Amino acid sequence: KAGVTQTPRYLIKTRGQQVTLSCSPISGHRSVSWYQQTPGQGLQFLFEYFSETQRNKGNFPGRFSGRQFSNSRSEMNVSTLELGDSALYLCASSGQTIGSYNEQFFGPGTRLTVL
Amino acid sequence: AQSVTQLDSQVPVFEEAPVELRCNYSSSVSVYLFWYVQYPNQGLQLLLKYLSGSTLVKGINGFEAEFNKSQTSFHLRKPSVHISDTAEYFCAVSEDDKIIFGKGTRLHILP
Repeated sequence: KAGVTQTPRYLIKTRGQQVTLSCSPISGHRSVSWYQQTPGQGLQFLFEYFSETQRNKGNFPGRFSGRQFSNSRSEMNVSTLELGDSALYLCASSGQTIGSYNEQFFGPGTRLTVL
Repeated sequence: AQSVTQLDSQVPVFEEAPVELRCNYSSSVSVYLFWYVQYPNQGLQLLLKYLSGSTLVKGINGFEAEFNKSQTSFHLRKPSVHISDTAEYFCAVSEDDKIIFGKGTRLHILP
Protein backbone atom coordinates (compact mmCIF):
# COMPACT_ATOMS: atom_id res chain seq x y z
CA LYS A 1 0.00 0.00 0.00
CA ALA A 2 1.20 3.49 -0.71
CA GLY A 3 1.90 5.57 2.36
CA VAL A 4 0.52 8.92 3.41
CA THR A 5 1.37 11.62 0.90
CA GLN A 6 1.47 15.34 1.49
CA THR A 7 1.69 18.12 -1.05
CA PRO A 8 3.48 20.35 -1.47
CA ARG A 9 6.60 19.32 0.45
CA TYR A 10 7.89 22.88 0.72
CA LEU A 11 6.12 26.20 0.63
CA ILE A 12 7.17 29.81 1.07
CA LYS A 13 4.58 32.47 1.75
CA THR A 14 4.52 36.03 3.06
CA ARG A 15 2.68 37.39 6.06
CA GLY A 16 -1.01 37.98 5.48
CA GLN A 17 -1.34 35.40 2.73
CA GLN A 18 -3.27 32.19 3.06
CA VAL A 19 -2.14 28.65 2.32
CA THR A 20 -3.73 25.27 1.65
CA LEU A 21 -1.95 22.00 2.36
CA SER A 22 -3.10 18.63 1.12
CA CYS A 23 -2.93 15.13 2.58
CA SER A 24 -3.84 11.83 0.96
CA PRO A 25 -4.21 9.04 3.52
CA ILE A 26 -3.38 5.39 3.11
CA SER A 27 -6.02 3.70 0.99
CA GLY A 28 -8.92 2.56 3.19
CA HIS A 29 -8.06 4.86 6.09
CA ARG A 30 -10.90 7.16 7.09
CA SER A 31 -9.27 9.22 9.83
CA VAL A 32 -6.84 12.04 9.10
CA SER A 33 -5.10 14.08 11.78
CA TRP A 34 -2.98 17.19 11.41
CA TYR A 35 -0.07 18.29 13.59
CA GLN A 36 2.14 21.35 13.69
CA GLN A 37 5.79 20.80 14.55
CA THR A 38 8.02 23.70 15.62
CA PRO A 39 11.35 23.73 17.48
CA GLY A 40 9.87 25.62 20.40
CA GLN A 41 6.50 23.91 20.85
CA GLY A 42 7.25 20.45 19.51
CA LEU A 43 4.39 18.48 17.99
CA GLN A 44 0.99 19.95 18.58
CA PHE A 45 -2.33 18.46 17.54
CA LEU A 46 -4.38 20.66 15.22
CA PHE A 47 -7.48 18.61 14.36
CA GLU A 48 -8.76 15.24 13.26
CA TYR A 49 -11.28 14.39 10.58
CA PHE A 50 -13.22 11.16 10.26
CA SER A 51 -15.68 10.52 7.46
CA GLU A 52 -15.73 14.20 6.46
CA THR A 53 -16.50 15.40 10.01
CA GLN A 54 -14.15 17.13 12.40
CA ARG A 55 -14.00 14.82 15.39
CA ASN A 56 -11.31 16.49 17.52
CA LYS A 57 -9.74 19.89 17.65
CA GLY A 58 -6.62 21.23 19.33
CA ASN A 59 -6.00 24.69 20.76
CA PHE A 60 -5.30 26.69 17.65
CA PRO A 61 -6.93 29.94 16.50
CA GLY A 62 -9.71 29.95 13.94
CA ARG A 63 -7.24 30.90 11.22
CA PHE A 64 -6.44 27.20 11.08
CA SER A 65 -9.16 25.16 9.45
CA GLY A 66 -9.51 21.91 7.62
CA ARG A 67 -11.82 19.69 5.71
CA GLN A 68 -12.06 16.14 4.50
CA PHE A 69 -13.48 14.92 1.23
CA SER A 70 -15.52 11.81 0.52
CA ASN A 71 -12.39 9.98 -0.65
CA SER A 72 -10.79 10.74 2.75
CA ARG A 73 -8.29 13.19 1.33
CA SER A 74 -7.90 16.16 3.62
CA GLU A 75 -6.83 19.75 3.29
CA MET A 76 -5.87 22.24 5.92
CA ASN A 77 -5.98 25.97 5.40
CA VAL A 78 -4.22 28.74 7.26
CA SER A 79 -5.45 32.26 6.62
CA THR A 80 -3.72 35.55 7.37
CA LEU A 81 -0.35 33.91 7.85
CA GLU A 82 1.92 35.04 10.67
CA LEU A 83 5.66 34.52 11.06
CA GLY A 84 4.96 32.10 13.89
CA ASP A 85 3.08 29.79 11.53
CA SER A 86 6.40 28.71 10.02
CA ALA A 87 6.55 25.02 10.85
CA LEU A 88 6.50 21.47 9.58
CA TYR A 89 2.88 20.38 9.15
CA LEU A 90 2.41 16.66 9.50
CA CYS A 91 -0.57 14.64 8.46
CA ALA A 92 -1.35 11.20 9.84
CA SER A 93 -3.94 8.67 8.78
CA SER A 94 -5.50 5.89 10.77
CA GLY A 95 -7.57 2.90 9.83
CA GLN A 96 -8.37 1.28 13.14
CA THR A 97 -9.58 2.28 16.56
CA ILE A 98 -9.47 -0.06 19.54
CA GLY A 99 -10.76 1.71 22.61
CA SER A 100 -8.76 4.88 22.64
CA TYR A 101 -5.87 3.39 20.71
CA ASN A 102 -5.46 4.82 17.27
CA GLU A 103 -2.36 3.77 15.34
CA GLN A 104 -1.39 6.62 13.11
CA PHE A 105 0.81 6.58 10.03
CA PHE A 106 2.56 9.81 9.25
CA GLY A 107 3.34 11.52 5.99
CA PRO A 108 6.66 13.29 5.28
CA GLY A 109 5.20 16.70 6.10
CA THR A 110 4.94 20.08 4.42
CA ARG A 111 7.59 22.61 5.42
CA LEU A 112 5.93 26.05 5.49
CA THR A 113 8.09 29.15 5.71
CA VAL A 114 6.41 32.51 6.29
CA LEU A 115 8.47 35.57 5.40
CA ALA B 1 -5.56 15.72 30.11
CA GLN B 2 -2.58 13.52 29.46
CA SER B 3 0.92 14.92 29.28
CA VAL B 4 4.28 13.43 28.35
CA THR B 5 7.66 14.54 29.65
CA GLN B 6 10.89 13.64 27.93
CA LEU B 7 13.56 14.50 30.43
CA ASP B 8 16.45 15.00 28.01
CA SER B 9 16.29 17.26 24.98
CA GLN B 10 19.57 15.87 23.64
CA VAL B 11 21.51 12.70 24.35
CA PRO B 12 25.04 12.17 23.00
CA VAL B 13 26.31 8.60 22.98
CA PHE B 14 29.25 6.83 21.42
CA GLU B 15 28.67 4.39 18.61
CA GLU B 16 28.12 0.80 19.85
CA ALA B 17 27.36 2.03 23.38
CA PRO B 18 23.97 1.45 25.04
CA VAL B 19 21.43 4.26 25.29
CA GLU B 20 18.32 5.01 27.32
CA LEU B 21 15.88 7.78 26.42
CA ARG B 22 13.61 8.68 29.29
CA CYS B 23 9.88 9.32 29.18
CA ASN B 24 7.32 9.93 31.88
CA TYR B 25 3.58 10.37 31.39
CA SER B 26 0.77 11.64 33.55
CA SER B 27 -1.24 8.99 35.29
CA SER B 28 -4.43 7.56 33.82
CA VAL B 29 -6.70 4.59 34.36
CA SER B 30 -5.60 3.01 31.12
CA VAL B 31 -2.93 4.23 28.81
CA TYR B 32 -1.49 3.40 25.44
CA LEU B 33 2.11 4.47 24.93
CA PHE B 34 4.26 4.88 21.87
CA TRP B 35 7.73 5.77 20.73
CA TYR B 36 8.15 7.39 17.34
CA VAL B 37 11.36 8.22 15.49
CA GLN B 38 11.88 11.10 13.08
CA TYR B 39 14.89 10.98 10.77
CA PRO B 40 16.10 14.26 9.26
CA ASN B 41 13.63 15.72 6.77
CA GLN B 42 11.16 12.91 7.23
CA GLY B 43 7.87 12.27 8.97
CA LEU B 44 7.39 10.15 12.06
CA GLN B 45 7.75 6.39 12.10
CA LEU B 46 6.37 4.15 14.83
CA LEU B 47 9.18 2.35 16.71
CA LEU B 48 7.05 0.45 19.20
CA LYS B 49 3.82 0.59 21.18
CA TYR B 50 2.46 -0.59 24.50
CA LEU B 51 -1.24 -1.44 24.60
CA SER B 52 -1.43 -4.09 27.31
CA GLY B 53 0.21 -7.31 28.43
CA SER B 54 3.96 -7.71 28.82
CA THR B 55 5.61 -4.60 30.17
CA LEU B 56 8.68 -5.12 27.99
CA VAL B 57 7.93 -4.13 24.45
CA LYS B 58 10.23 -4.84 21.53
CA GLY B 59 10.23 -2.65 18.46
CA ILE B 60 12.02 -2.17 15.20
CA ASN B 61 15.74 -1.54 14.72
CA GLY B 62 16.67 -3.27 18.00
CA PHE B 63 14.85 -0.83 20.28
CA GLU B 64 12.81 -1.87 23.29
CA ALA B 65 10.88 -0.05 26.01
CA GLU B 66 9.64 -0.94 29.45
CA PHE B 67 6.29 0.16 30.79
CA ASN B 68 6.46 0.93 34.50
CA LYS B 69 3.05 1.77 35.90
CA SER B 70 4.21 2.63 39.42
CA GLN B 71 6.74 5.14 38.10
CA THR B 72 4.55 6.21 35.14
CA SER B 73 7.54 5.75 32.88
CA PHE B 74 8.12 4.29 29.44
CA HIS B 75 11.87 4.52 28.82
CA LEU B 76 13.35 3.52 25.47
CA ARG B 77 16.53 1.48 25.31
CA LYS B 78 18.95 0.05 22.80
CA PRO B 79 21.95 -2.08 23.83
CA SER B 80 24.24 -0.88 21.03
CA VAL B 81 23.60 2.18 18.88
CA HIS B 82 24.66 2.75 15.31
CA ILE B 83 25.33 5.95 13.42
CA SER B 84 22.05 5.35 11.54
CA ASP B 85 20.15 5.81 14.81
CA THR B 86 20.84 9.53 14.65
CA ALA B 87 17.34 11.01 14.81
CA GLU B 88 14.80 12.64 17.06
CA TYR B 89 12.72 10.34 19.24
CA PHE B 90 9.25 11.15 20.50
CA CYS B 91 7.38 9.49 23.32
CA ALA B 92 3.61 9.71 23.01
CA VAL B 93 0.40 8.74 24.74
CA SER B 94 -3.01 8.15 23.23
CA GLU B 95 -5.92 10.18 24.58
CA ASP B 96 -9.35 9.78 23.01
CA ASP B 97 -8.57 9.81 19.31
CA LYS B 98 -5.49 11.95 19.39
CA ILE B 99 -1.85 11.43 20.20
CA ILE B 100 -0.12 13.62 22.79
CA PHE B 101 3.60 13.91 22.12
CA GLY B 102 6.55 14.75 24.30
CA LYS B 103 8.98 17.48 23.22
CA GLY B 104 11.37 14.95 21.72
CA THR B 105 14.93 13.82 22.41
CA ARG B 106 17.68 14.26 19.84
CA LEU B 107 20.03 11.30 19.78
CA HIS B 108 23.55 12.20 18.68
CA ILE B 109 25.83 9.30 17.86
CA LEU B 110 29.50 10.08 18.41
CA PRO B 111 32.12 8.23 16.33
